[in-house]
Amino acid sequence: AQKITQTQPGMFVQEKEAVTLDCTYDTSDPSYGLFWYKQPSSGEMIFLIYQGSYDQQNATEGRYSLNFQKARKSANLVISASQLGDSAMYFCAMREGREYGNKLVFGAGTILRVKS
Amino acid sequence: EAGVAQSPRYKIIEKRQSVAFWCNPISGHATLYWYQQILGQGPKLLIQFQNNGVVDDSQLPKDRFSAERLKGVDSTLKIQPAKLEDSAVYLCASSLTIGTGSGNTIYFGEGSWLTVV
Repeated sequence: AQKITQTQPGMFVQEKEAVTLDCTYDTSDPSYGLFWYKQPSSGEMIFLIYQGSYDQQNATEGRYSLNFQKARKSANLVISASQLGDSAMYFCAMREGREYGNKLVFGAGTILRVKS
Repeated sequence: EAGVAQSPRYKIIEKRQSVAFWCNPISGHATLYWYQQILGQGPKLLIQFQNNGVVDDSQLPKDRFSAERLKGVDSTLKIQPAKLEDSAVYLCASSLTIGTGSGNTIYFGEGSWLTVV
């Protein structure tokens, strides 16, 4: 089974509107971390936001928030007030604990295009 | 604070030639990773170091790929001989240490783009 699933290959959003990028994950480890990264065309992988499996509240970082639904194993990224510079590839990733290899595993990504 | 440094940024080689990529992690980061990202896909972990020891190299094609981190700081990834399917971006990353907490966020360099012709 895929560890990380991103079902949206591509998304469009109008500038200044909010957009949600979907991510579901699969793990048996009770201790894990979920990450979102942004990858512009230049290729650099930019860290956006982190959610720990034991965190009680949803993570927020500026215009980014993570809608964490543990029972459904989903960790959707919400970008508010989209900007043209948000156009990029977005990756959801999960890191399991030491007993499960401790690797950061990525999904296939979602391309986001912001329209003016 | 300086980020993860990688070089070269771009490299074009012919198949069966060799290539080496260099990475210097964020200062103080004990864990270093090399990822391979083929166009249109998510990154795939090749090898993970903790200081100068290998933690995981299960997805490293050891017949042609090698990596070292001799002094526990910077690292080199080598491909010899290269194949057409090795064309990809090679991303180096680092974190404070191994663990699932937010303090162990993995930070990436800009990547080294390899084209094998």
